[in-house]
Amino acid sequence: NAGVTQTPKFRILKIGQSMTLQCTQDMNHNYMYWYRQDPGMGLKLIYYSVGAGITDKGEVPNGYNVSRSTTEDFPLRLELAAPSQTSVYFCASSYRDRQEPQHFGDGTRLSIL
Amino acid sequence: QKEVEQNSGPLSVPEGAIASLNCTYSDRGSQSFFWYRQYSGKSPELIMFIYSNGDKEDGRFTAQLNKASQYVSLLIRDSQPSDSATYLCAVKHFGNEKLTFGTGTRLTIIP
Repeated sequence: NAGVTQTPKFRILKIGQSMTLQCTQDMNHNYMYWYRQDPGMGLKLIYYSVGAGITDKGEVPNGYNVSRSTTEDFPLRLELAAPSQTSVYFCASSYRDRQEPQHFGDGTRLSIL
Repeated sequence: QKEVEQNSGPLSVPEGAIASLNCTYSDRGSQSFFWYRQYSGKSPELIMFIYSNGDKEDGRFTAQLNKASQYVSLLIRDSQPSDSATYLCAVKHFGNEKLTFGTGTRLTIIP
């Protein structure tokens, strides 16, 4: 049972480069989320989606873009990487219900140099 | 004002004792409350959730919710060294698909 799968696990980018962080889930969850976590800090919501074709900004969306063409996939795009985007990125998903928790992927550790 | 507040710790507890982790929240419309455990370098994993006032027990873990005081806590009985981790409190608001996370409490169990 794969759950939420994120790729890659680690990546080093140069300033100004672009990349896409992949996230896929096999639990048929409606909702998907992207968070970033800086050292010693909590999780900050970047973008989220309540279903295919629907996305919305979270707390820290600047410098990122997302798309949700299928229920399973929710990629996060960094267009012009900046050192401030060095962080650990987590993708999560959940059912639509107040009692339902979010299930997290293993994370992508991204360094911008 | 932070929406979800936790004492960042570190909280040190002797092995076998009870660890008590606390969380307060500001939005009275909050309806569901989650505790996640996060080991260093790993992703958050769900420990418990609670949405009714009172206590909810699961093995060595007990979640307590007091909506009038806007307070939720996690008790860990018979603490083990493997319980050493950061514990994140998360709150889901009524009619909102998002979770708001606290910054976490770092717990260390001393053998």
